Amino acid sequence: DVKVTQSSRYLVKRTGEKVFLECVQDMDHENMFWYRQDPGLGLRLIYFSYDVKMKEKGDIPEGYSVSREKKERFSLILESASTNQTSMYLCASSLLAGPDTQYFGPGTRLTVL
Amino acid sequence: AQSVTQLGSHVSVSEGALVLLRCNYSSSVPPYLFWYVQYPNQGLQLLLKYTTGATLVKGINGFEAEFKKSETSFHLTKPSAHMSDAAEYFCAVSVGYGGATNKLIFGTGTLLAVQP
Repeated sequence: DVKVTQSSRYLVKRTGEKVFLECVQDMDHENMFWYRQDPGLGLRLIYFSYDVKMKEKGDIPEGYSVSREKKERFSLILESASTNQTSMYLCASSLLAGPDTQYFGPGTRLTVL
Repeated sequence: AQSVTQLGSHVSVSEGALVLLRCNYSSSVPPYLFWYVQYPNQGLQLLLKYTTGATLVKGINGFEAEFKKSETSFHLTKPSAHMSDAAEYFCAVSVGYGGATNKLIFGTGTLLAVQP
């Protein structure tokens, strides 16, 4: 079974802090994704990566950056957290470049005070 | 541009009743379509997907969906609801992205409640 793990289930940070969300997958998947999930808006893609050190902006990249130094790990960085970044963050991975199944982690619920 | 519309943010059914969750898509190319389920406090899990071939797709836990090109729909059904089906369901369409990979466009979700 594919396993996608996220470093924290719940996180509370203060406005202006730099925040790191970590995601690790154990199935040698090429592609990794970061989404945020908000009530009534569904999931929205922040960034994705199709190879080590490669990244592409998704639909809502503003205020975020990412890092993928190793194939199995994809980090989401909030350079200066703001209250409007309070949300559920979901990481996913997929093996193929085509319309392949994405496997999701359990999510990190981030609250920015 | 591709998009997904889920009709009904909340659906309530009785245990044993038919489950019907609606999804319509917009796509300029043949779509690849997915249904995911999210149980409370968990990530998303794939229920089923349509890529090519048979238009009636069977998934896990007794769910199925039919791709209807003429109606641009991919509705999710289950003949008999179970209490354990209570969850949020997301329809998604796969979008090619510069040949590098495909990303998913998600609908806004439908929260299914199952009454005893």
